[in-house]
Amino acid sequence: EDQVTQSPEALRLQEGESSSLNCSYTVSGLRGLFWYRQDPGKGPEFLFTLYSAGEEKEKERLKATLTKKESFLHITAPKPEDSATYLCAVGPNTGFQKLVFGTGTRLLVSP
Amino acid sequence: DTAVSQTPKYLVTQMGNDKSIKCEQNLGHDTMYWYKQDSKKFLKIMFSYNNKELIINETVPNRFSPKSPDKAHLNLHINSLELGDSAVYFCASSQGRGLLELFFGEGSRLTVL
Repeated sequence: EDQVTQSPEALRLQEGESSSLNCSYTVSGLRGLFWYRQDPGKGPEFLFTLYSAGEEKEKERLKATLTKKESFLHITAPKPEDSATYLCAVGPNTGFQKLVFGTGTRLLVSP
Repeated sequence: DTAVSQTPKYLVTQMGNDKSIKCEQNLGHDTMYWYKQDSKKFLKIMFSYNNKELIINETVPNRFSPKSPDKAHLNLHINSLELGDSAVYFCASSQGRGLLELFFGEGSRLTVL
């Protein structure tokens, strides 16, 4: 069964304190791994798609990396506005958009 | 202009009632989805339509019935509501059937008493 596990469940950082979020997955043929950001009371917002091991993508203070078993979301010098829940999802090897999500990491960045 | 809009945003109802949630997208996408997010924030796909054709139908009780009158609209009707149906329901859309970026609505929080 396709599965995504995210750690830690919650993370509290001081502004400027860099860290990483982990997403471990088991999937029957990975077609893509997605990172989404979800603010309270809102729907998830797309951040990145990674397709193959070794791939990296960056957006402002965020950088996502992918290996054959896990993905990391590195947050460099975070700001309070980076506070959100970060969701990881995998797309198994089917023809349709059938993402399997993890339960997310709640990030709180204090000023 | 909201890209994916859902109504209502909040729904509080009694067990046994029937309720509907509506979704509309103005992105010109041809694929729409319903996801359910439970109290532990676990987001799980329920249904997907591509150009009004049902393409994903996960193991969902048949009390849940999606309807897509056109490719810009996807509604969810729930019969005989149960306590366990309490969750946030998200509508999403994408262009094409492949593994692509999803655009989510803001969610509809359903509380069954």
